[in-house]
Amino acid sequence: DAKTTQPTSMDCAEGRAANLPCNHSTISGNEYVYWYRQIHSQGPQYIIHGLKNNETNEMASLIITEDRKSSTLILPHATLRDTAVYYCIVPLGSSNTGKLIFGQGTTLQVKP
Amino acid sequence: DVKVTQSSRYLVKRTGEKVFLECVQDMDHENMFWYRQDPGLGLRLIYFSYDVKMKEKGDIPEGYSVSREKKERFSLILESASTNQTSMYLCASSPAGQGPSGANVLTFGAGSRLTVL
Repeated sequence: DAKTTQPTSMDCAEGRAANLPCNHSTISGNEYVYWYRQIHSQGPQYIIHGLKNNETNEMASLIITEDRKSSTLILPHATLRDTAVYYCIVPLGSSNTGKLIFGQGTTLQVKP
Repeated sequence: DVKVTQSSRYLVKRTGEKVFLECVQDMDHENMFWYRQDPGLGLRLIYFSYDVKMKEKGDIPEGYSVSREKKERFSLILESASTNQTSMYLCASSPAGQGPSGANVLTFGAGSRLTVL
């Protein structure tokens, strides 16, 4: 997988937007960005993926910069249940094998 | 609404015991995966399968084997458990469809926490 860099941890106030950055400066033109999260003591959960256009679903929005070297996952109204580790993953060479590499991710703490 | 079910949430076994971890998915997915997760090491892929009776080694297959006799079931076997196999084990599945919304969209189970004494 292409190398990604995320902050180790972030805090967010409940009800506010949580903006989680990810740097993937070596990404190739056809490689997608995937986001997963892992709530404590549970398995990871798929959130969203994108190539170059901004994407939105019921869980989150994904903003990818025009040069595609970084992206931001946005949780528009964070709740306490959004406290989790968030993983940004770029499978190498746009491979669709399911063999994903989960790094250390960003630990998001949503505070009341 | 549970889609990937792991048979045991917590297990405690003795060194040398044979351990079976079972995983069943109800989404008719072709692909199934076994990962283990350890503090500071993240998730590491043990074995995976793209079809019934098919298996491939992941990054850390030593000490493990797998079985996939039916499409919905993928079993992880520790032939002789050792203390360094104490870990959280996570099973996942994904569809075989081509494109970015296929194999890379994994659905995980809740995990099985194994302690080997």
